[in-house]
Amino acid sequence: GAVVSQHPSWVICKSGTSVKIECRSLDFQATTMFWYRQFPKQSLMLMATSNEGSKATYEQGVEKDKFLINHASLTLSTLTVTSAHPEDSSFYICSARVGQGRSYSNQPQHFGDGTRLSIL
Amino acid sequence: QQPVQSPQAVILREGEDAVINCSSSKALYSVHWYRQKHGEAPVFLMILLKGGEQKGHEKISASFNEKKQQSSLYLTASQLSYSGTYFCGTGTDSWGKLQFGAGTQVVVTP
Repeated sequence: GAVVSQHPSWVICKSGTSVKIECRSLDFQATTMFWYRQFPKQSLMLMATSNEGSKATYEQGVEKDKFLINHASLTLSTLTVTSAHPEDSSFYICSARVGQGRSYSNQPQHFGDGTRLSIL
Repeated sequence: QQPVQSPQAVILREGEDAVINCSSSKALYSVHWYRQKHGEAPVFLMILLKGGEQKGHEKISASFNEKKQQSSLYLTASQLSYSGTYFCGTGTDSWGKLQFGAGTQVVVTP
């Protein structure tokens, strides 16, 4: 149980292109999803928290207009990197958690396999 | 603010033990431990909550000292499958957002 699917797993595209990454919870309802960025041999840096049906909450320093997050259903959240540039190249990984808010804060996050984004 | 993990890396022989520490400068609601193998998603190991509890997952256990804002992960009688990078994720607010440490790379050799 608790399977999270992320797609695509690898994207290579030209500078200026917008790229959409999907994160799906396959066997549970994920009211809350998280988006992280991970550089080689480094930690997971939280970019934003996505709650179904409401606006995402971004971490300090993360550009909202650059990284658009949509969480339209209980099983799907998307991250769109708009007008991507080489400095946006990274490993993006999502996680999903059952429930929203304080009463579910002790639930584990289940991670997708990540998307490796390379901008030429 | 990121928690601090130590050591950065450890090399073990099969059967040896190791301890990974995670400390935070902020009061903690919870500590989550994950293991990530190269090129794969992090896999959930366990959650520790306020109250100083200790948990176990096979021969991997952890403790949480709320007062010291620290958690430790214990790898006992390590197996080859324990190799990977271990991350602690600390919850410093009641909404469950996690800040992850830099990770501890564990290599278990035959």
